[in-house]
Amino acid sequence: DGGITQSPKYLFRKEGQNVTLSCEQNLNHDAMYWYRQDPGQGLRLIYYSQIVNDFQKGDIAEGYSVSREKKESFPLTVTSAQKNPTAFYLCASSPRALPLETQYFGPGTRLLVL
Amino acid sequence: AQSVTQLDSQVPVFEEAPVELRCNYSSSVSVYLFWYVQYPNQGLQLLLKYLSGSTLVESINGFEAEFNKSQTSFHLRKPSVHISDTAEYFCAVSDQSGYSTLTFGKGTMLLVSP
Repeated sequence: DGGITQSPKYLFRKEGQNVTLSCEQNLNHDAMYWYRQDPGQGLRLIYYSQIVNDFQKGDIAEGYSVSREKKESFPLTVTSAQKNPTAFYLCASSPRALPLETQYFGPGTRLLVL
Repeated sequence: AQSVTQLDSQVPVFEEAPVELRCNYSSSVSVYLFWYVQYPNQGLQLLLKYLSGSTLVESINGFEAEFNKSQTSFHLRKPSVHISDTAEYFCAVSDQSGYSTLTFGKGTMLLVSP
């Protein structure tokens, strides 16, 4: 089955710790995205990548970093600089980096701070 | 830049009643419009989208939305809801002339009760 997988489903972070959220897709999509979802806030774009080895900051990139070394993978690192990381993180992909393309979402990772 | 306003954070309805979820957008350029649905603890799924042509678009499960350019609206309607329609619904816009990023509204929780 083609789709987007995110792991882990739940992740716990200690103070001062960096954590990495995994996102893998086997849809052969060029573009990938990371969103943060907070209750009552909708989704906000963290980073996106239109092609391998290229990525751009979204609206709330501070405290996060990404890499896009392979077409199918777009991991997100939540660094210690992100002071309020507790949220639901969603990864998405689209066939091409065009505004009219549908974005397909993974099941999400819930990050909690200990 | 564009923005999306979903006026209702929650809409409670009884099963088999009609429902309308409101969405208004603001943009200085032409946009594409989307409705996504999110079931509890899951990622988002595309419900329907407006790219061009007929201003009335339909989904396979009975929802429809109408693009109204003069009122900058894209309201979602269903003539008769089911318990299984209980979910959060997000309206989103994409700038036709810019990058392939979506701007989401804050979401409307549709609560269908028997």
